[in-house]
Amino acid sequence: DTEVTQTPKHLVMGMTNKKSLKCEQHMGHRAMYWYKQKAKKPPELMFVYSYEKLSINESVPSRFSPECPNSSLLNLHLHALQPEDSALYLCASSQRTGGFTEAFFGQGTRLTVV
Amino acid sequence: GQQVMQIPQYQHVQEGEDFTTYCNSSTTLSNIQWYKQRPGGHPVFLIQLVKSGEVKKQKRLTFQFGEAKKNSSLHITATQTTDVGTYFCAGPENTNAGKSTFGDGTTLTVKP
Repeated sequence: DTEVTQTPKHLVMGMTNKKSLKCEQHMGHRAMYWYKQKAKKPPELMFVYSYEKLSINESVPSRFSPECPNSSLLNLHLHALQPEDSALYLCASSQRTGGFTEAFFGQGTRLTVV
Repeated sequence: GQQVMQIPQYQHVQEGEDFTTYCNSSTTLSNIQWYKQRPGGHPVFLIQLVKSGEVKKQKRLTFQFGEAKKNSSLHITATQTTDVGTYFCAGPENTNAGKSTFGDGTTLTVKP
């Protein structure tokens, strides 16, 4: 199984809502990532988890809150988002953060904030 | 911080023509990865280059890593409509933290 599964695929939320994005992988990877991608732009790194510990937070606003309940799961909790947060949110995993390992991306959650 | 630049931003070719995208980093890279993202899709890993001057081939795709490990290229021979998409290079900052910087990507369209 070389898949990274993300749910939901699409999400529309109001600025006062609280929602969560979910990501799951069963490849035994110990590094997991959240990226944000705007249209016609490259993925931008948001968070990195290594062995279930947050290792990188790219100065992401606190309205985005990541969580790694176990080595297979990664969540992104959303609260009080702004319309400019509308984007494709991609989860990825790799064997580890160091060394030469490829990243497997999920299909993404297309988020619209209204 | 590290910057990774890619050119061209867009390339339109006739089916059967060749295509090349170039990636340049402001810093020396320990390795470089290439990804393809189809329209409406997600990035899919193509290849990783590690050694200075390395050349790797995948069917019609040829990947090169520069001698100074600051640039790379992807060349597609005889493009097909299935090659349509955006090609990104990504280079890790020289740490073990897992932080990679993606280039802006080159979007390839192929006219049948």
